[in-house]
Amino acid sequence: NAGVTQTPKFQVLKTGQSMTLQCAQDMNHNSMYWYRQDPGMGLRLIYYSASEGTTDKGEVPNGYNVSRLNKREFSLRLESAAPSQTSVYFCASSNRAANGYTFGSGTRLTVV
Amino acid sequence: KQEVTQIPAALSVPEGENLVLNCSFTDSAIYNLQWFRQDPGKGLTSLLLIQSSQREQTSGRLNASLDKSSGRSTLYIAASQPGDSATYLCAVSGALNQAGTALIFGKGTTLSVSS
Repeated sequence: NAGVTQTPKFQVLKTGQSMTLQCAQDMNHNSMYWYRQDPGMGLRLIYYSASEGTTDKGEVPNGYNVSRLNKREFSLRLESAAPSQTSVYFCASSNRAANGYTFGSGTRLTVV
Repeated sequence: KQEVTQIPAALSVPEGENLVLNCSFTDSAIYNLQWFRQDPGKGLTSLLLIQSSQREQTSGRLNASLDKSSGRSTLYIAASQPGDSATYLCAVSGALNQAGTALIFGKGTTLSVSS
């Protein structure tokens, strides 16, 4: 099925460990996004990539890095995980907003 | 900075009622507005997308309106059912810079429909 695929779905990390969240879309969208969702805070933008080869910071970028590997894939890396990064992470893609945004099913991350 | 507010934060209604969820945004320079549904522990499902030039969109029992000049949108749910129980998120798309746009979300309205 066409859409946005995120892996893994669940992950538990110890403080200080690193990991990469993967995201891939097969809709030929130019733009891709990473959000985090926390209770009472809603969804907040971490990083985005307007097109292949470009990345920019969103509202809450500290502690994260991203890579736009190609047009399909956009990864989010936590270099040294902290308990404050416990959250649900969503990847999304769009085609210049013309047709709206499509979201992946999320990665539930717990940092202990 | 764009801010999106959704009122009420929570709503409980008996089955069969018609209801309205409200969304307001501070900057009228948007590309479009999108309503999502999120079930507990699940991802976001797109319900309706309204382009900035449009006034409303309809899908089944759902109708969303947009008044860009006043910075308001409403999601109307007709003849509510227990299966409509979920959190409804409003999001507006606007320019972050010359290259990028992104969705800015409200915190959602959690709807509970009792049978």
